Amino acid sequence: GNSVTQMEGPVTLSEEAFLTINCTYTATGYPSLFWYVQYPGEGLQLLLKATKADDKGSNKGFEATYRKETTSFHLEKGSVQVSDSAVYFCALSTGYSTLTFGKGTMLLVSP
Amino acid sequence: DTGVSQDPRHKITKRGQNVTFRCDPISEHNRLYWYRQTLGQGPEFLTYFQNEAQLEKSRLLSDRFSAERPKGSFSTLEIQRTEQGDSAMYLCASSFTTYRDRVTEAFFGQGTRLTVV
Repeated sequence: GNSVTQMEGPVTLSEEAFLTINCTYTATGYPSLFWYVQYPGEGLQLLLKATKADDKGSNKGFEATYRKETTSFHLEKGSVQVSDSAVYFCALSTGYSTLTFGKGTMLLVSP
Repeated sequence: DTGVSQDPRHKITKRGQNVTFRCDPISEHNRLYWYRQTLGQGPEFLTYFQNEAQLEKSRLLSDRFSAERPKGSFSTLEIQRTEQGDSAMYLCASSFTTYRDRVTEAFFGQGTRLTVV
């Protein structure tokens, strides 16, 4: 079956620090990969996506590269801001199926 | 467009009572999904509709759970004889998806938080 494993949080960083949140997956077929973000009190929002191997998704300074050989989709940002504090979910979808999520990683950025 | 809206936002109920949640998707979206999220976990798929047809149900959806989307617009999720283990955030999402689309973005509502006491 499909599964997603994320690094446990919380991840605590100072403003302008470099961020990496690890995500690895197991899937049948060729999944599409996603990062969703959940800000306090809000619903899940799609942050970025990649649909095939070596694709790089990017948005709002965040990037993730679809690595088929390592079955990974790590999220990175060069310089985090306090406003990036949120819970980040890695997810996959195979074919036309629904999303399989990881457990989420909380990011806390201090000024 | 106001996005996906869910009602109520919070529900506290006594064990054994029935509850019903409503989801209004984005108006032109043909697919509607229900997920459940417990504390410290990611959302888990429950069921989804393509227009008014319920196409897939997870094993998580016990016989006490029923979902409808009668006219292909809003949807309801009912839980009968609630148990404490049903306490969770219930998330609704919608998308516009055709069979030619490999990837479509699902838009999520803010969820309904259910507490069973």
